[in-house]
Amino acid sequence: DAKTTQPNSMESNEEEPVHLPCNHSTISGTDYIHWYRQLPSQGPEYVIHGLTSNVNNRMASLAIAEDRKSSTLILHRATLRDAAVYYCILRESGSGNTGKLIFGQGTTLQVKP
Amino acid sequence: SQTIHQWPATLVQPVGSPLSLECTVEGTSNPNLYWYRQAAGRGLQLLFYSVGIGQISSEVPQNLSASRPQDRQFILSSKKLLLSDSGFYLCAWSVLAVSTDTQYFGPGTRLTVL
Repeated sequence: DAKTTQPNSMESNEEEPVHLPCNHSTISGTDYIHWYRQLPSQGPEYVIHGLTSNVNNRMASLAIAEDRKSSTLILHRATLRDAAVYYCILRESGSGNTGKLIFGQGTTLQVKP
Repeated sequence: SQTIHQWPATLVQPVGSPLSLECTVEGTSNPNLYWYRQAAGRGLQLLFYSVGIGQISSEVPQNLSASRPQDRQFILSSKKLLLSDSGFYLCAWSVLAVSTDTQYFGPGTRLTVL
């Protein structure tokens, strides 16, 4: 399975931008990069995903390196409600029709008021 | 709109007792279904997934089993619980697509085995 590497934790101040990095040097050409987040005592929720081009949605932006070996999730203005564990996941290559996602340890984001 | 239900929300069970956790999905057909477990302070571990009725794949050898008796029903069971089965159990569904196979998670069941 293609693996990802993320920092264990990061801190941010409220209303400032946050850049959450993810390394995936063994990514294959057909792997999509997905980001999920998990708020305390809740199940994970989808944030964003992309393949090669940068992506934006109402929650965040995803910047993907040209060689696709790394990506960055960007929260444009962090709020206290953004404090969560953020997971960078590669949709498993060769998973056929299973759609399996393999979660790593993620990055715990702390947002300070 | 689609919704996913899990019950019970919390459960305290003695070691050696049986377990049955249920997950149901509404508003979609033929979803892929998944069971995850999250031990305290740990990441999510995929336990089982199912691509159709009666089709179950196990990711981790253990004393748990899963069944899918109906299209939108997924059940996690054990005949005899172990202390190590304690954790936060999450059910998820997705509808497979090339890139947009987002997984949607239920509220979870917090299981404590004493």
